[in-house]
Amino acid sequence: GAGVSQSPSNKVTEKGKDVELRCDPISGHTALYWYRQSLGQGLEFLIYFQGNSAPDKSGLPSDRFSAERTGGSVSTLTIQRTQQEDSAVYLCASSSAGTGVYEQYFGPGTRLTVT
Amino acid sequence: SQQGEEDPQALSIQEGENATMNCSYKTSINNLQWYRQNSGRGLVHLILIRSNEREKHSGRLRVTLDTSKKSSSLLITASRAADTASYFCATDATGNTGKLIFGQGTTLQVKP
Repeated sequence: GAGVSQSPSNKVTEKGKDVELRCDPISGHTALYWYRQSLGQGLEFLIYFQGNSAPDKSGLPSDRFSAERTGGSVSTLTIQRTQQEDSAVYLCASSSAGTGVYEQYFGPGTRLTVT
Repeated sequence: SQQGEEDPQALSIQEGENATMNCSYKTSINNLQWYRQNSGRGLVHLILIRSNEREKHSGRLRVTLDTSKKSSSLLITASRAADTASYFCATDATGNTGKLIFGQGTTLQVKP
């Protein structure tokens, strides 16, 4: 079946612009995660959605970052007033349970470059 | 902040040799997972070991977990050129619900 998909695969934006990154999780997966991978920082957790529960936003680096998940499926990560330090690969993952010990399935990522 | 630290940061071996990567973490965990990332691609789940398990096998992969030392190792036996990738350990801390904390990763190069 289809895996996790993300769009766009690459995004170049000017400093100060807003960007939206999209994630389509595996159908039926109730948990969805956003991570960021940048040189020097490794893989960082950003935000986690599980079903209808309030999201865990503890990893968001600033209030310029927000995410939503509509209808328990597709998620959008929004970065407002982008800065050069936001340049990174943004990875989305989904899993079939949030409270179990299930592995996460990752999308190919969106490479964001802020010029 | 990163929970896990991995060593070595980089490893280069010949095809057919074994590769061992180590991971240390700081807090109590529910489970520890290993992921592989090929250059420019997403992460692929390799194996998961629960906190009450000490060793697990999957094909050419062998994972050990020592909760008293807060460490894990990943052994890839009879390596192949296709195993060239970055390998990350990730922990699901006790009390968390699936949020993974990743190590910095080990870059493995297998020379044909």
